Amino acid sequence: AQSVTQLGSHVSVSEGALVLLRCNYSSSVPPYLFWYVQYPNQGLQLLLKYTSAATLVKGINGFEAEFKKSETSFHLTKPSAHMSDAAEYFCAVSGTSGTYKYIFGTGTRLKVLA
Amino acid sequence: EAGVAQSPRYKIIEKRQSVAFWCNPISGHATLYWYQQILGQGPKLLIQFQNNGVVDDSQLPKDRFSAERLKGVDSTLKIQPAKLEDSAVYLCASSSGAGGHTGELFFGEGSRLTVL
Repeated sequence: AQSVTQLGSHVSVSEGALVLLRCNYSSSVPPYLFWYVQYPNQGLQLLLKYTSAATLVKGINGFEAEFKKSETSFHLTKPSAHMSDAAEYFCAVSGTSGTYKYIFGTGTRLKVLA
Repeated sequence: EAGVAQSPRYKIIEKRQSVAFWCNPISGHATLYWYQQILGQGPKLLIQFQNNGVVDDSQLPKDRFSAERLKGVDSTLKIQPAKLEDSAVYLCASSSGAGGHTGELFFGEGSRLTVL
């Protein structure tokens, strides 16, 4: 069975500071991994994805994530936080064939302080 | 390209009443998902369709929830009778599925249900 764990339900950073949101996964087969962002009263939007190509994945809005198999992690980072980054972020894992069942983490709410 | 459409955006009902949500996925997307997102939690998969067949409904409370995807295009999720704990946002998502799978889910804006 697949699962993801997001450490920290709330993270606060100052504007211009490094953003680090943590995600660890569990999967018996090589997974696809994703980060989605959700702004208030909206659906989820894909930030970036890992699909077994490069382990360092770059996404939209300056975010990137690194797949580390040895640590079963897929942490999301951004060098410099912007006020517009305040949102909820979800890590997700999916199988790579067959029915593509997605499992989402519980989310991390990012607050950016002026 | 039109995105995933959902309606209604908001619905308020009393407990024991019924409600239905509609979803129209992106054209050509074979896979359709319904998720329940309770405030402060991540999306929880209720049901997954591949074309018009059910792939996974293991977390669907079948005594009160039902879903169908006639003709493999749009889908309806129904709750009858509703309970207070059904208050949540119901998200519909679609993906291109097998043969053209990019790994990405495309979400609608959700239908927010409040049960009083």
